Amino acid sequence: AQSVTQLGSHVSVSEGALVLLRCNYSSSVPPYLFWYVQYPNQGLQLLLKYTTGATLVKGINGFEAEFKKSETSFHPTKPSAHMSDAAEYFCAVSSDTGRRALTFGSGTRLQVQP
Amino acid sequence: KAGVTQTPRYLIKTRGQQVTLSCSPISGHRSVSWYQQTPGQGLQFLFEYFSETQRNKGNFPGRFSGRQFSNSRSEMNVSTLELGDSALYLCASSPNTGSGANVLTFGAGSRLTVL
Repeated sequence: AQSVTQLGSHVSVSEGALVLLRCNYSSSVPPYLFWYVQYPNQGLQLLLKYTTGATLVKGINGFEAEFKKSETSFHPTKPSAHMSDAAEYFCAVSSDTGRRALTFGSGTRLQVQP
Repeated sequence: KAGVTQTPRYLIKTRGQQVTLSCSPISGHRSVSWYQQTPGQGLQFLFEYFSETQRNKGNFPGRFSGRQFSNSRSEMNVSTLELGDSALYLCASSPNTGSGANVLTFGAGSRLTVL
């Protein structure tokens, strides 16, 4: 079974500082990997995705991530945090039995300090 | 293009009752998935429907059921509600083919409170 581990349930950065979110996955085959962002009282919005092809992927809101198969990691970064980035972020991996049956990490709450 | 629409957004039920939640996918999307989000268990997959058939199912008791209609709209039902069923229920749709076939677009969710 697939699993994902998000490192850090809470991350706090200053406005303008680098944002780094961390996710490691376990998979016996190259998975489909996703990051979603959730703002208060809202659903999930796709932040970025790795399916096949290029290992460096760009997402919304200035985030990008490198898929590192050897490290089984997929860590998004953003060079300069903005107050509007404050939200909860979830890493997810597709199941090998159903690509729409995502297994989610436990979430990382990002705080941006002024 | 309209997004995924879930109704109702908020509802309160009492233990033992049943509830039905509705989801209208993005036009053209034929796959609909449901997820439960709770503070304790996080986001968990409930089931996926495609062409009116359940294609995949998560590890939930039989009290949780769903269906999909010919227009791809989906409903999920929870019978004999328990306090632990209080959660945000998220619906997601995706196309079945093409480059976005594995990308889920989520609705805003239905927040269920069981008293």
